[in-house]
Amino acid sequence: KAGVTQTPRYLIKTRGQQVTLSCSPISGHRSVSWYQQTPGQGLQFLFEYFSETQRNKGNFPGRFSGRQFSNSRSEMNVSTLELGDSALYLCASSLDPADTQYFGPGTRLTVL
Amino acid sequence: AQTVTQSQPEMSVQEAETVTLSCTYDTSESDYYLFWYKQPPSRQMILVIRQEAYKQQNATENRFSVNFQKAAKSFSLKISDSQLGDAAMYFCAYRSSILSSGTYKYIFGTGTRLKVLA
Repeated sequence: KAGVTQTPRYLIKTRGQQVTLSCSPISGHRSVSWYQQTPGQGLQFLFEYFSETQRNKGNFPGRFSGRQFSNSRSEMNVSTLELGDSALYLCASSLDPADTQYFGPGTRLTVL
Repeated sequence: AQTVTQSQPEMSVQEAETVTLSCTYDTSESDYYLFWYKQPPSRQMILVIRQEAYKQQNATENRFSVNFQKAAKSFSLKISDSQLGDAAMYFCAYRSSILSSGTYKYIFGTGTRLKVLA
């Protein structure tokens, strides 16, 4: 069974731009969570989607948003990029919110 | 609020030796899960082991085992017969009881970088 896939793997943007990251969960998994990983802050929870509904949200500004499609694939969008948004963005999927999370390889976003 | 603390930013171990990574957490809940994840330099996070809080028995997965002390809120990871491939960042994670939204809260520690010396 294929693992969690994330595209693109690397991205370079400039301040003020917006970006969309994509996550395809493991087949059969309906829950997708997003995390921001930085050296200083570690893993910070962004949001979780289950059955196309946002079930949980972390303490991030409204510039960070996401959605989930009927095939459980998820996207996250960051608008008006700031330098501090440079990070590794990890997606994790699980069968349902109660199940163990399995992570993708991440998207490395660099904001110049 | 729950917290997860990994007090060892970096650890080293000689190949074939045993190493223990520490993790403490704080919670008022009685029903939760604890996890250890491994993140090698390629950055793919891999689940190493998980422990249900209601289970007394410590989880074991091949060379990886945990020492779960619920009263002390401690969850350490022991790696036996360390191999070069064990070199990675290790994260301890806590999963809460079910929330009113029907989902769960995950909290990660800041990680411990493990170096394996040949």
